[in-house]
Amino acid sequence: GAVVSQHPSRVICKSGTSVKIECRSLDFQATTMFWYRQFPKQSLMLMATSNEGSKATYEQGVEKDKFLINHASLTLSTLTVTSAHPEDSSFYICSALKGKADEQFFGPGTRLTVL
Amino acid sequence: LAKTTQPISMDSYEGQEVNITCSHNNIATNDYITWYQQFPSQGPRFIIQGYKTKVTNEVASLFIPADRKSSTLSLPRVSLSDTAVYYCLVGANTDKLIFGTGTRLQVFP
Repeated sequence: GAVVSQHPSRVICKSGTSVKIECRSLDFQATTMFWYRQFPKQSLMLMATSNEGSKATYEQGVEKDKFLINHASLTLSTLTVTSAHPEDSSFYICSALKGKADEQFFGPGTRLTVL
Repeated sequence: LAKTTQPISMDSYEGQEVNITCSHNNIATNDYITWYQQFPSQGPRFIIQGYKTKVTNEVASLFIPADRKSSTLSLPRVSLSDTAVYYCLVGANTDKLIFGTGTRLQVFP
């Protein structure tokens, strides 16, 4: 299989601060990664598609200036939650697409709590 | 992207076979059907994928009728550790995945 990691696994921050979450494909290169958020007892909601070397594509209703995505290499995408507020508290999950016609591999998720 | 419809929840007992059906009436010709499992506070885990007929691996079977408008995930002899949320998704492998509500399976001893 393929392994995707996320760092940190959980983070607590104060309201108004920014938090960066990393998503890495450990044993394969991923030109495309996806970012999801999940609230308790709810399904995953796609936030954006991250493409290496280009701007991310955001889903409708997701503020691109608040959720900054950078896919600077073939193994790393980062999501920065800027000026975080309590309502941004959620479980953030990334996935990486291996190859051109392969499955998506999900990371273990990052639990963000904004106080 | 095709929408999917699944039962919100299902209950079962250890040792029983569980079948979870998913409807995807608007599935496109190049769409695959993929099932994921998710435990609390973890990322989804791939279970099985198919295009048509039947696919079997070491953990599950996937039954897809000829019209491909539905699919059934079959979990043989479930155990307590199979308690999780199961998601059915359809799309080409390079597509962004749109998750539906999923089916919350509770296995009782």
